[in-house]
Amino acid sequence: DGGITQSPKYLFRKEGQNVTLSCEQNLNHDAMYWYRQDPGQGLRLIYYSQIVNDFQKGDIAEGYSVSREKKESFPLTVTSAQKNPTAFYLCASSNQGDRVEQYFGPGTRLTVT
Amino acid sequence: AQSVTQLDSHVSVSEGTPVLLRCNYSSSYSPSLFWYVQHPNKGLQLLLKYTSAATLVKGINGFEAEFKKSETSFHLTKPSAHMSDAAEYFCVVSGGNYGGSQGNLIFGKGTKLSVKP
Repeated sequence: DGGITQSPKYLFRKEGQNVTLSCEQNLNHDAMYWYRQDPGQGLRLIYYSQIVNDFQKGDIAEGYSVSREKKESFPLTVTSAQKNPTAFYLCASSNQGDRVEQYFGPGTRLTVT
Repeated sequence: AQSVTQLDSHVSVSEGTPVLLRCNYSSSYSPSLFWYVQHPNKGLQLLLKYTSAATLVKGINGFEAEFKKSETSFHLTKPSAHMSDAAEYFCVVSGGNYGGSQGNLIFGKGTKLSVKP
């Protein structure tokens, strides 16, 4: 089955620790995206990557980092510099170009205490 | 610049009655528009998309949406609600070259649909 996997589904961390969220896709998509979702705010773009070894900041990149060493993988690290990291994180992928839909993974709910 | 506004944060209907979720967009060019659905603690699933072909777009699970350029609207409808339709719905516009990327999407804040038995 083709799709996007995110792991783990739930993640708990102590304040001050970095944490890495996994995102893998087998859809052969060039582009991948990370979003943050908070209640009543829709989805906000953190980082995106149009091609391997290249990525760009989205609207709320501060306190986050990514890498894109393989086409199928786009891990997100939430660093201790992120002031309010507790949220639902969604990964997506798409073909390149304008007017294309994105396909979403099931999400990871991160709780930092 | 592109933007999208979902006019209702919460809509409640009875099972078997019609559903209307309203969306207005702003775009400096002919946009692509999407509706996604999200069930609690799940990812987003594409319901339907408009890409400048037919203005009435049919999607999955009996949903459809009509693109009205004169009203800059893309409302989502379904003739008869089912309990399983209870979820959050997002109206989305393609960003053109938003943020320097052709593929970026701009999301509305979502409409939560409740279905009463």
